[in-house]
Amino acid sequence: SYVLTQAPSVSVAPGQTASITCGGNNIGSKSVHWYQQKPGQAPVVVVYDDSDRPSGIPERFSGSNSGNTATLTISRVAAGDEADYYCQVWDLSSDHPVFGGGTQLAVL
Amino acid sequence: QVQLVQSGAEVKKPGASVNVSCKASGYTFTGYYILWVRQAPGQGLEWMGWINPNSGGTKYGQKFQGRVTMTRDTTLNTAYMDLSGLRSDDTAVYYCAKVSGTSSLPPLGEAFYWGQGTLVTVSS
Repeated sequence: SYVLTQAPSVSVAPGQTASITCGGNNIGSKSVHWYQQKPGQAPVVVVYDDSDRPSGIPERFSGSNSGNTATLTISRVAAGDEADYYCQVWDLSSDHPVFGGGTQLAVL
Repeated sequence: QVQLVQSGAEVKKPGASVNVSCKASGYTFTGYYILWVRQAPGQGLEWMGWINPNSGGTKYGQKFQGRVTMTRDTTLNTAYMDLSGLRSDDTAVYYCAKVSGTSSLPPLGEAFYWGQGTLVTVSS
């Protein structure tokens, strides 16, 4: 079955740029969605279809996807961005969604 | 506005079953797939299965085959997830989520709308 790999944690200083990656075999051929989850809350979509941003999500959040890696980039990181971030694709061969293991973003 | 409202927290004994409901409003319930996803304490998101509210068709994760049943009542705009043979490691928050892809096609898209989550605690 399809596997998505994320680093368990990423640390960044306030005002800097955070890059959160999601690895998968030929993931560039799939649509990648990114979720932000804060403690005690349901996940929220921050980027969908590789690089689209829902209304209400700051322009600081952007996404890219090529080859075997998709990347969520958060520029000008603020304390309020501290959260767990999950990537997700659909495994079309089995018609089920696949989530990455999640990356905890720490703002130092 | 789209809303998914789940049933309240449950405490169950090992071996019991739990039924979690997910009432949808603000959109055409039969038009979009519903996912069920769980999250154990301190762990990541785990897909359990999906239901097509239009056809009633389901697909379950291999890990849950034989233990999970997903149904819907289109008259109540509500989806249900029943998990049997509960074990302590089934203790988790269970979420329903609406997928953006239409139910007339294979499931695709992001889960833009989520229920508030239902905590299921399994303890003797």
